[in-house]
Amino acid sequence: QVTLRESGPALVKPTQTLTLTCTFSGFSLNTGGMCVGWIRQPPGKALEWLALINWDDDKYYSRSLRARLTVSKDISKNQVVLTMTNMDPLDTATYYCARADYGHYWFDSWGQGLLVTVSS
Amino acid sequence: EIVLTQSPATLSLSPGERATLSCRASQSLSRYLAWYQQKPGQAPRLLIYDASTRATGTPARFSGSGFGTDFTLTISSLEPEDFAVYYCQQRSDWPLTFGQGTRLDIK
Repeated sequence: QVTLRESGPALVKPTQTLTLTCTFSGFSLNTGGMCVGWIRQPPGKALEWLALINWDDDKYYSRSLRARLTVSKDISKNQVVLTMTNMDPLDTATYYCARADYGHYWFDSWGQGLLVTVSS
Repeated sequence: EIVLTQSPATLSLSPGERATLSCRASQSLSRYLAWYQQKPGQAPRLLIYDASTRATGTPARFSGSGFGTDFTLTISSLEPEDFAVYYCQQRSDWPLTFGQGTRLDIK
């Protein structure tokens, strides 16, 4: 059974750096075939893809947020970490991590999401 | 980047009716489009990928069609649990992008 779970702060201040961790089970990122992506959703708004990391450590980023995002993986812990710098109130959203097949990039398993509020 | 435009923004129908949702891409996707369903307070769920392939567990009343720039999600006969928001997503080119969603409401 595939599971993913996001963790991190529920509240961050403007200009701070957000660090989110996706802890997963039921699949592996140390062999070919899988990748993990991050998607966010502001309250009442649409989904926005942020970043993705492949099993081979290739990384892809949203064009508009590329300068602020870093994605990495820790195979030993079955975790993927997303950092976003210089947080702004407009970054308030539910942040999801999700699994996809390498090369196909359809998100077939999702975490429950983590609401992050940016406020002073 | 590829822009996906979904229409209509809101669709109001009754159970038992047929629903037709559209997703139009700003450039050709070949068949590399997926559909997701999202209910309030839940994560999205993959319904259809590669334009027309049902994901595991997707009921047969859901079907996808299209190629290139125009795609359609059809629900043949709406069940009460189908009222939700539907998103399309492309993987033809980086960055991955989602449409803005279609809300399917009970009439």
